[in-house]
Amino acid sequence: QSALTQPASVSGSPGQSITISCTGTSSDVGTYALVSWYQQLPGKAPKLVIFDVSKRPSDISDRFAGSKSGNTASLTISGLQAEDEADYYCCSYAGSQTLVFGGGTQLTVL
Amino acid sequence: QFQLVQSGAEVREPGSSVKVSCKPSGDSFSGFPVGWVRRAPGQGLEWMGGMIPMFGTTTYAQRFQGRLTLTSDESTSTAYMELGSLTSEDTAVYYCARGGELYDMTGYYSYWGQGSLVTVSS
Repeated sequence: QSALTQPASVSGSPGQSITISCTGTSSDVGTYALVSWYQQLPGKAPKLVIFDVSKRPSDISDRFAGSKSGNTASLTISGLQAEDEADYYCCSYAGSQTLVFGGGTQLTVL
Repeated sequence: QFQLVQSGAEVREPGSSVKVSCKPSGDSFSGFPVGWVRRAPGQGLEWMGGMIPMFGTTTYAQRFQGRLTLTSDESTSTAYMELGSLTSEDTAVYYCARGGELYDMTGYYSYWGQGSLVTVSS
């Protein structure tokens, strides 16, 4: 199971929108609508922000949106805020009751 | 608010093993799966494996097969992660996390423990 591919870093100014991509294969992202995204602030545990490709937990702002096309999933954050600065990870079901994470993307709010 | 409480930091010598515990603040895991994820210094999150404590079913990432053991004690509602044959590359923060769907190990993790730092050093 190879890690899903994410850009190492992305950045944006307050109020702008950014998109983080997550590229897998036909064995994971491409086959299953079971992609989740996690936000990890420095020194904190990860927090779920998107599950099942595009669903949001009740406590997550609608500024966070997920989508998928083929082998690539995406997380879009609109109306960027300083508090969004964190590491973001995608995760996909990879068959045989296993999961695989992406390498992570560091989001910087300029 | 559902919370997971993990055991404290550990220091181990190369070649030894470590066992980390994870206990829900409330009743029990109640059929929800428990996963284990680690983050090594300067690295990203890595999925290690998961189990459904109610049934004792387990699943492991291939790279940890043979040296990772996930167990649970239903009497204390505690899940355990034991990793053996430790090397310096196993130095990491280890997280337990509760799955979001009953009896389903294919999906996401809704709740996370605070993390347990394991340092492997001679």
